[in-house]
Formats: sequence, C-alpha cells, structure tokens
Amino acid sequence: GAVVSQHPSWVICKSGTSVKIECRSLDFQATTMFWYRQFPKQSLMLMATSNEGSKATYEQGVEKDKFLINHASLTLSTLTVTSAHPEDSSFYICSARDPRTGGGEQYFGPGTRLTVT
Amino acid sequence: AQSVTQPDIHITVSEGASLELRCNYSYGATPYLFWYVQSPGQGLQLLLKYFSGDTLVQGIKGFEAEFKRSQSSFNLRKPSVHWSDAAEYFCAVGAGNNNDMRFGAGTRLTVKP
Repeated sequence: GAVVSQHPSWVICKSGTSVKIECRSLDFQATTMFWYRQFPKQSLMLMATSNEGSKATYEQGVEKDKFLINHASLTLSTLTVTSAHPEDSSFYICSARDPRTGGGEQYFGPGTRLTVT
Repeated sequence: AQSVTQPDIHITVSEGASLELRCNYSYGATPYLFWYVQSPGQGLQLLLKYFSGDTLVQGIKGFEAEFKRSQSSFNLRKPSVHWSDAAEYFCAVGAGNNNDMRFGAGTRLTVKP
C-alpha cells in the first residue's frame, strides 16, 4: 500500500523560533496533500489542503502566515510553523491522496509531535 | 459540507466480546466513508472504506462495517475483540473526489482482560 512519511517524528523548539515539518509520499506521486492538527484526546482538524505547484487552501481560522505550506514536488509537502508559541504545541499529521486509487483515499503519515517551550 | 458524528466518546468491552462503534454522517450525496484506527502517539491506519456497491464492507484485523443509507450510518463491528484492539477509532466522510475529508470526534476503546 501507499506509504507516507513525516520528519521529524517529534521536535522541541523555543518560543519565537520556526520549525519545518516534512511530509513525503514514498511510493506514489501525490498531487494533493493535507495537513491536520490534533490536540490531545481530540479529533483531527483539517488545517489546509496542499496542491503541488499552487498555493495551499487554508481552512477557516487557520493563519496562513503562521502555518506556511509548500508543495514543491509531487512527493514532498512542508509545513513551517513560524514564530512558534506554546499554544502551537500539538500533533501534526499529514496525508496524501493516491491518484491511482479510484476513491482517492488518503494515506496518513505517522505524525509529528511539536512542543514549544 | 459533510459532517460526522460519533456518539460514543469512550467504550469499554471485555476481551472476546463483540464490538460495535457507531458513526452517523451528514452529506447530500453518496458519501465516501472510512474507519481509521489510531494507537497512542501514532498516525492513522485505514481499517476499511466504502465507496459504492456492497453495503457490508470487510476490513483488516477482522473488522467490518455496514453502510445504511436510510439511517445515515456506517457502524463498525467486530465479533470478538482482542486486547490489541484498544485504541482510538475515527470515522470519516469524504465528499466527491475526496478532496475534503471530515473526521468524527473519535471513540476510545478500552478492552478489559
């Protein structure tokens, strides 16, 4: 099956710094990738949809200047949390659609736990 | 836009007992429906999906789900639960080409020995 990886799996950064999270589709080309945020014991909230070669589409309430998304290639999307603050601490999960499957199901990465101190 | 409701936040079952996790969706057309499982600190693993055809869907790890259009439901079932099934379960609904997937709040499953 399709495999999606994320790097790093966990990161600790100081308040005010920026951190980049990578999401890669390992065995397929993903024209569309998605970024989710998950707070402890809560569901996944879609942050943005990332389309290769174009600007990301952000969900209402998500600050596009704070959460920068770049989908520069068909196998890589990055999420940069700029000027991170403790309230940005969360579990960030990416997913990718495999266009080879008829239903366009999403394959999820293992997640990145961000802690801002 | 589509939405998903998982009425049960937490369910506890004994090992070997049967399991049913409820999921209700709201969507105007035929939905794409999914069940995912998440272990602590991990990503999501797809258990099964429904796009069309047979309304009873078989998945991995002995799970199945039945799509009932009249009830707008897609409940997940397993005849005999194993201790390793303890996890968080998410129902999700996708629209059309599935560019937009919405998740339920999740149901946490605890398995008693």
